[in-house]
Amino acid sequence: NAGVTQTPKFRILKIGQSMTLQCTQDMNHNYMYWYRQDPGMGLKLIYYSVGAGITDKGEVPNGYNVSRSTTEDFPLRLELAAPSQTSVYFCASSYFGNTEAFFGQGTRLTVV
Amino acid sequence: GESVGLHLPTLSVQEGDNSIINCAYSNSASDYFIWYKQESGKGPQFIIDIRSNMDKRQGQRVTVLLNKTVKHLSLQIAATQPGDSAVYFCAENSGGSNYKLTFGKGTLLTVNP
Repeated sequence: NAGVTQTPKFRILKIGQSMTLQCTQDMNHNYMYWYRQDPGMGLKLIYYSVGAGITDKGEVPNGYNVSRSTTEDFPLRLELAAPSQTSVYFCASSYFGNTEAFFGQGTRLTVV
Repeated sequence: GESVGLHLPTLSVQEGDNSIINCAYSNSASDYFIWYKQESGKGPQFIIDIRSNMDKRQGQRVTVLLNKTVKHLSLQIAATQPGDSAVYFCAENSGGSNYKLTFGKGTLLTVNP
């Protein structure tokens, strides 16, 4: 099993550009999450999904959008990138909402 | 502010010593807690979890203690090894319809050979 796979691993964006961070999991988990991690900080939840077709905002959703058309995929869309979105982004999935979440390896994004 | 926080941002121990990493939480409704280990450049990795109906849970070389009275969580690592050097995060989930795992800032554990 590959677990949770994120692409790309690194990306540099110019201010105002848009991009989609991809996340896919092969564990048939219902729940998926997007977090961002700023240097020296913990993880802040951006969006989460409890199943295909269902998404909800986390703590820091502004500037991001998500969709969940399949169980496996949970892409994160950045519209009009800003320097404040420079961060490491982690996707995670879990079987239930209050069970262990498995994380991907992260996407390091720099907005210049 | 953060509902989950850590008392010590950094911890340095000698190889072979036991390590204790502490975590305070403020949400008394939290019923599930996880400790994660994050090595440099990698995603968080599950270490151990505990539910609020337990006080203690043991894994391989790790023990998690939960004190609901003072809303305190600790991770004990026995015979700490250089490979244990990483940032450790505690996270809580308040259960019910709240599926959000809330993370603290983390503690950097450095193991000196």
